[in-house]
Amino acid sequence: DIQMTQSPSTLSASVGDRVTITCRASQSISNWLAWYQQKPGKAPNVLIYETSNLESGVPSRFSGSGSGTEFTLTISSLQPDDFATYYCQQYKSYSLTFGQGTKVEIK
Amino acid sequence: QVQLVESGGGVVQPGRSLRLSCAASGFTFNSHAMNWVRQAPGKGLEWVAVISYDGSNQYYSDSVKGRFTFSRDNSKNTLYLQMNSLRAEDTAIYYCARDRSSTGLSNIFDYWGQGTLVTVSS
Repeated sequence: DIQMTQSPSTLSASVGDRVTITCRASQSISNWLAWYQQKPGKAPNVLIYETSNLESGVPSRFSGSGSGTEFTLTISSLQPDDFATYYCQQYKSYSLTFGQGTKVEIK
Repeated sequence: QVQLVESGGGVVQPGRSLRLSCAASGFTFNSHAMNWVRQAPGKGLEWVAVISYDGSNQYYSDSVKGRFTFSRDNSKNTLYLQMNSLRAEDTAIYYCARDRSSTGLSNIFDYWGQGTLVTVSS
């Protein structure tokens, strides 16, 4: 299986900060990567698919980049609603796999 | 609006079986592949299985292969996850999730249910 590793595991930031989360794949996944946001007690929501395509309804402050084995999710100006846990997911091959998550906390 | 409602969770002893259901509404159910994704308490997300739009193909994670069976009834807009030989490590919230593509298989999950908790404990 393809292993996905996110860094950092926890990130403390303030409203208005630019935030970057990194996701690394154990082998090349081309651009077959999605990002999800999950808030406590809720199901995840897809933010970005195919590395950089914004899902409908997702604010433009979210962006994704990368290819091959290294990817990033960037929030250009952190808003109060963005404090949550973020997961990357590869869909290059089965088994589909997620990163371990990055929790974005209030500083 | 798209709704996915899981049911069937509960407490079960190791080695026993449980069947989860997921009732779908608000979209053309028989056009979408569907998935189960689980999350152990306080842990990350783990993909479990996918079933094609017509039920003809399924794929499973190695951790459940041979023990879990994923099926669907398109006449009832319902998914089923038959879980046999349950282990403590199967304890998790189980979410059903819709594949984003309406004609194929994207492996991107655009709608999720609220989840149902399965606890495997003696």
